[in-house]
Amino acid sequence: LAKTTQPISMDSYEGQEVNITCSHNNIATNDYITWYQQFPSQGPRFIIQGYKTKVTNEVASLFIPADRKSSTLSLPRVSLSDTAVYYCLVGDYNTDKLIFGTGTRLQVFP
Amino acid sequence: EPEVTQTPSHQVTQMGQEVILRCVPISNHLYFYWYRQILGQKVEFLVSFYNNEISEKSEIFDDQFSVERPDGSNFTLKIRSTKLEDSAMYFCASSVDGSGEQYFGPGTRLTVT
Repeated sequence: LAKTTQPISMDSYEGQEVNITCSHNNIATNDYITWYQQFPSQGPRFIIQGYKTKVTNEVASLFIPADRKSSTLSLPRVSLSDTAVYYCLVGDYNTDKLIFGTGTRLQVFP
Repeated sequence: EPEVTQTPSHQVTQMGQEVILRCVPISNHLYFYWYRQILGQKVEFLVSFYNNEISEKSEIFDDQFSVERPDGSNFTLKIRSTKLEDSAMYFCASSVDGSGEQYFGPGTRLTVT
């Protein structure tokens, strides 16, 4: 399983775009990159998943460079309710388990 | 929007007692999972379940733990003889295709005294 490295914490203000970068230097050919969000005392919530280039949904965008050794989760115009822990996970698409790290704690200020 | 539900939301039990945590996965999902999160720590994988059998389990999931899908809707986690260190949030999750896109329930907070 590819090891991931992401910042422990980030601060932002409402209305700003937030980019959280995750490093995964030993990503394997079959690995996908998945991001989850977790609020305190709640279960993780799937945000987005990608293999290469760019993926966008109604919540976020995921940028993956050609070498796939890193990825960036982009949250447009964050609000206070985006304050949460964000996890970057790397693994085979048909994975039997998700391996969570410590994530990035995003704090959004008014 | 369909969601995973879990009951109870909070369970308090004494050390040595058996507990059963219940989950109702999303109805068209075929893959089911249990995770736990000790307060202030990482989310940890416990077990995955597909086609009425365990497909993978972690070192945490020892003989004290068991899972069952007793009917077409429920998915349960049983801890036979609880220990203090079993105190944690237990999350059930389900997936339609066994991919990394899993949907988590709100969790059951288990407190062992």
